[in-house]
Amino acid sequence: AQSVTQPDIHITVSEGASLELRCNYSYGATPYLFWYVQSPGQGLQLLLKYFSGDTLVQGIKGFEAEFKRSQSSFNLRKPSVHWSDAAEYFCAVGDYNAGNMLTFGGGTRLMVKP
Amino acid sequence: GAVVSQHPSRVICKSGTSVKIECRSLDFQATTMFWYRQFPKQSLMLMATSNEGSKATYEQGVEKDKFLINHASLTLSTLTVTSAHPEDSSFYICSGVLGIGKQYFGPGTRLTVT
Repeated sequence: AQSVTQPDIHITVSEGASLELRCNYSYGATPYLFWYVQSPGQGLQLLLKYFSGDTLVQGIKGFEAEFKRSQSSFNLRKPSVHWSDAAEYFCAVGDYNAGNMLTFGGGTRLMVKP
Repeated sequence: GAVVSQHPSRVICKSGTSVKIECRSLDFQATTMFWYRQFPKQSLMLMATSNEGSKATYEQGVEKDKFLINHASLTLSTLTVTSAHPEDSSFYICSGVLGIGKQYFGPGTRLTVT
């Protein structure tokens, strides 16, 4: 069975600083990987996804993520954080042998200092 | 883009009553919808997979008689929490699947059982 680990429960960065959120996965085949953002009391918004091809994926809001098979990682990055980026971030792996089911990591809460 | 709505967005009910939550795909047909539950400051846990015209598939530990799921059409799935208790209070999120890697989430329903 697949699993996703987000080692950092909370991260605080200063506005304008760079950001990296870590994600490690366990999956038996080539994974489909996703990053979602959730603002308080809201549903999920897709930031980006990786299926195949270029291992550096660009997403919305200036985010990018890099798939590293050798490290089983799919870390999310942003060069300059804005106060509006404060939210909960979830990494997920998709199992398309199970009807597109997603398994989510525990989430990382990002706080942005002015 | 594909839009999924949920109704209601918030509901408060008394212990012992039943509550129905609707999940609609507004601009696409979803043969598969998923229902997730999210406790405060935690990740999304898959409750069940709902396929149009067939019985839902429940994850281990989820009581199918308590959480009734009906997927009567390609655009509507409902989750009914029967005989709700305070421990059922949670944030319930649904999603609709448009294709591989294309899972769209609703905004969520916050259920409070008093």
